[in-house]
Amino acid sequence: AQSVTQLGSHVSVSEGALVLLRCNYSSSVPPYLFWYVQYPNQGLQLLLKYTSAATLVKGINGFEAEFKKSETSFHLTKPSAHMSDAAEYFCASCSGNTPLVFGKGTRLSVIA
Amino acid sequence: NAGVTQTPKFQVLKTGQSMTLQCAQDMNHEYMSWYRQDPGMGLRLIHYSVGAGITDQGEVPNGYNVSRSTTEDFPLRLLSAAPSQTSVYFCASSYSGSGTGELFFGEGSRLTVL
Repeated sequence: AQSVTQLGSHVSVSEGALVLLRCNYSSSVPPYLFWYVQYPNQGLQLLLKYTSAATLVKGINGFEAEFKKSETSFHLTKPSAHMSDAAEYFCASCSGNTPLVFGKGTRLSVIA
Repeated sequence: NAGVTQTPKFQVLKTGQSMTLQCAQDMNHEYMSWYRQDPGMGLRLIHYSVGAGITDQGEVPNGYNVSRSTTEDFPLRLLSAAPSQTSVYFCASSYSGSGTGELFFGEGSRLTVL
C-alpha cells in the first residue's frame, strides 16, 4: 500500500529565507507525486506534479520539487519565502490505478 | 466556469440525523472523490468513482454512502450521523479516470454533529 510521510507538522521561516518542506513516499511501483497548497477556508490547489518526465519539477509561485528515487523523497523548496506563502502544504502520491493518498500536511508560517 | 461546487458549505446535525452533501462538476471529469479533513490527519479518502455507475470505497468509508448516476454529480450520504463524523468534507474531480491527473477541489463543506 502506498503511503506519504511529511516530516514536520509546522515549519516557520523568516520572510526571504529558504523554504524546505519534506516529503517521503513509499510505493512498489513508480509513483505520481504531487504538492498541493491550502489557504485558510479554501480547498486545495495544485502546486506541482511529478510524472517521471523530469526529476526537477517547477510549479506555481516559485516553488519547485526534486524527485529522488534513491531517497524516496519529493521535497518542496522555494528560495525566498513571501508572507503570502503562509498556508498548509500537502504532499500526495498515487500509482497506476490507485487513488491519491495524502500526507498529513505541513503548516508553513512566514515571519516578517 | 464553476469547477467543483459543494453544498451546503456549513451544516449542523444532531446525532442520528441523515443528510446528503452535494457535489457537482462542470468539467466533464470521469473521476470524482470525497475526502474528509481532520486536524493532524491530512485528507483521508472516503469514496471515489471512476465513472457513472461505478463507485468504490476508500480508506474511511464506514457511515457513508455514495452513488454516481451522472458524470456531473457525486453526492455523499450520511445515513445516521455520529459526532465522529464532525469534519470538513472535500469533493474533488479529475480528468484522469485513475485519479492520476490533477485533482480539482471544491471549497469544502464543514459539518458539525452534536
